[in-house]
Amino acid sequence: KNEVEQSPQNLTAQEGEFITINCSYSVGISALHWLQQHPGGGIVSLFMLSSGKKKHGRLIATINIQEKHSSLHITASHPRDSAVYICAVNKGGSEKLVFGKGTKLTVNP
Amino acid sequence: EPEVTQTPSHQVTQMGQEVILRCVPISNHLYFYWYRQILGQKVEFLVSFYNNEISEKSEIFDDQFSVERPDGSNFTLKIRSTKLEDSAMYFCASAGQNTEAFFGQGTRLTVV
Repeated sequence: KNEVEQSPQNLTAQEGEFITINCSYSVGISALHWLQQHPGGGIVSLFMLSSGKKKHGRLIATINIQEKHSSLHITASHPRDSAVYICAVNKGGSEKLVFGKGTKLTVNP
Repeated sequence: EPEVTQTPSHQVTQMGQEVILRCVPISNHLYFYWYRQILGQKVEFLVSFYNNEISEKSEIFDDQFSVERPDGSNFTLKIRSTKLEDSAMYFCASAGQNTEAFFGQGTRLTVV
């Protein structure tokens, strides 16, 4: 069983819609990361969370440590938001990241 | 903005050949990583490097793999005798103390 599970696997939205991507994990963590991977393959870090909520522009990330769950929200989605969004965690005291399989988001104009 | 740079962007090699993938991490970072992503699969951890030594490695990182920080700026991954199943995108990443990891653009390795 994967230690990090994301849903949905694929998501198609119309421009302007509010997007939610979910991540659940089954291990103790020191931090959770949301990353963005564009079709060219490069990975960009969006958020690093250990509690609560963070906001950057139209992106909001939340984490509930007790429920071992995190969500990534995108407000007023735009076609340029189309990418794969990946949840990853630092297990316990480890520096390495354990990745989810990613959610492929397509935003249509 | 500082960034992690990787070279080459694409490497094609014959099975059994040695390859060296190169990375220049962000200059004041302390932790260095290699990850790989086989086409269509999730990103997998290979190795972490701190204080001039390997701090953690995965089962994938067997004797065919090695890492080196030969000077103050470069961080390399060597695969001694490549196999077809080593074909993947290889990502270098670096991080400071308690900071997020910054990833390079990746090197796409194709073993033929």
